[in-house]
Amino acid sequence: AQTVTQSQPEMSVQEAETVTLSCTYDTSENNYYLFWYKQPPSRQMILVIRQEAYKQQNATENRFSVNFQKAAKSFSLKISDSQLGDTAMYFCAFMSLFGNEKLTFGTGTRLTVIP
Amino acid sequence: NAGVTQTPKFQVLKTGQSMTLQCAQDMNHEYMSWYRQDPGMGLRLIHYSVGAGITDQGEVPNGYNVSRSTTEDFPLRLLSAAPSQTSVYFCASSPIGASGANVLTFGAGSRLTVL
Repeated sequence: AQTVTQSQPEMSVQEAETVTLSCTYDTSENNYYLFWYKQPPSRQMILVIRQEAYKQQNATENRFSVNFQKAAKSFSLKISDSQLGDTAMYFCAFMSLFGNEKLTFGTGTRLTVIP
Repeated sequence: NAGVTQTPKFQVLKTGQSMTLQCAQDMNHEYMSWYRQDPGMGLRLIHYSVGAGITDQGEVPNGYNVSRSTTEDFPLRLLSAAPSQTSVYFCASSPIGASGANVLTFGAGSRLTVL
């Protein structure tokens, strides 16, 4: 079974600074998907970024980028130019190609952006 | 498009009562699923469906029933509520084998308290 570990329960960053959230995972599969989801106080789960394991290039979405290290099974999220609206819980998640769209989530990192 | 709609948003039950959480999507997604979110544990899969008439168990199915009579609807039933089922419940959907596959769209969540 796959596991996803987020070792930072809480983090904070000054507005306009850069912060990196860590995620490691464990799987015996070679092809899979990795995700970062954001959950603001509204409780809505919002997709931030998706990475396909067979692609070596790191995914980027505006101010959000990932550092995907397949051999190390590491998938960190970098948020540049942090904004107050980035304050939220961030969840790392794993999806197998053969797992019927099932997401395995980490326990989350609560990020606070300080004005 | 409304996306994924969950009702009710909040519900308080007494131990032993039954209720149904409703989930509807208007995106013609084949795949639908239910997750529960508990503090410090991320989201865990309860049940899922890959099409009308097809359902299967996820990681934590005990105490919950589902059915999928139409593509649009995927209700979650609690037959005899227990305090351990106090949680926030999310419905999520995605297409299968098409553009957007493997990316779940989540509903806004339903907070359930069992006294």
